[in-house]
Amino acid sequence: GAGVSQTPSNKVTEKGKYVELRCDPISGHTALYWYRQSLGQGPEFLIYFQGTGAADDSGLPNDRFFAVRPEGSVSTLKIQRTERGDSAVYLCASSLTSSGQMGSYNEQFFGPGTRLTVL
Amino acid sequence: GDSVTQMEGPVTLSEEAFLTINCTYTATGYPSLFWYVQYPGEGLQLLLKATKADDKGSNKGFEATYRKETTSFHLEKGSVQVSDSAVYFCALSDWFSGGYNKLIFGAGTRLAVHP
Repeated sequence: GAGVSQTPSNKVTEKGKYVELRCDPISGHTALYWYRQSLGQGPEFLIYFQGTGAADDSGLPNDRFFAVRPEGSVSTLKIQRTERGDSAVYLCASSLTSSGQMGSYNEQFFGPGTRLTVL
Repeated sequence: GDSVTQMEGPVTLSEEAFLTINCTYTATGYPSLFWYVQYPGEGLQLLLKATKADDKGSNKGFEATYRKETTSFHLEKGSVQVSDSAVYFCALSDWFSGGYNKLIFGAGTRLAVHP
């Protein structure tokens, strides 16, 4: 079946511009995560959605970053007034909803990422 | 806060050599531990996991044992192949009361295997 897809695969923009990055999760996955991977680093958590709501946005670096998931499927990460330091690969992952049992884990399936370059 | 430290790369090996990539973690709770792999041009894939102390995760000839006493989760493979060339990420996840898992990754270790 189809995995997680992300568009565009590459985005080059100028400092100060607005960008939108899209994530299509695996069908039926209600949990969706965004991560950011800077060059030479591991991915860092940005935000988690359960259904349509952002249940944890503690990783968003500042208020220029915002994400939505209006129908509980596709998600869009929005970055306003981009800065050169925003250049990174933005990863999306989806998973089934947790059983709620403490310590349980549902595998997160990652998309190929969007490489954002801010000039 | 929680963190993961893994050995710096690149690690360069000949085919059929033994592989160890060290990983240690700091966590306040009882995390699950993972190794993810990123092959060239592909997305992150879960390689193996362990959810409690002394568990051994294994897949594709790779193994890692969750050692609570040394807070480690070292990745090993007895005989690497050229096709194992990739970047390997150690990660941990604490379970949150909302029923979700936030992954915390190490910086990654690039492995290059030569024929």
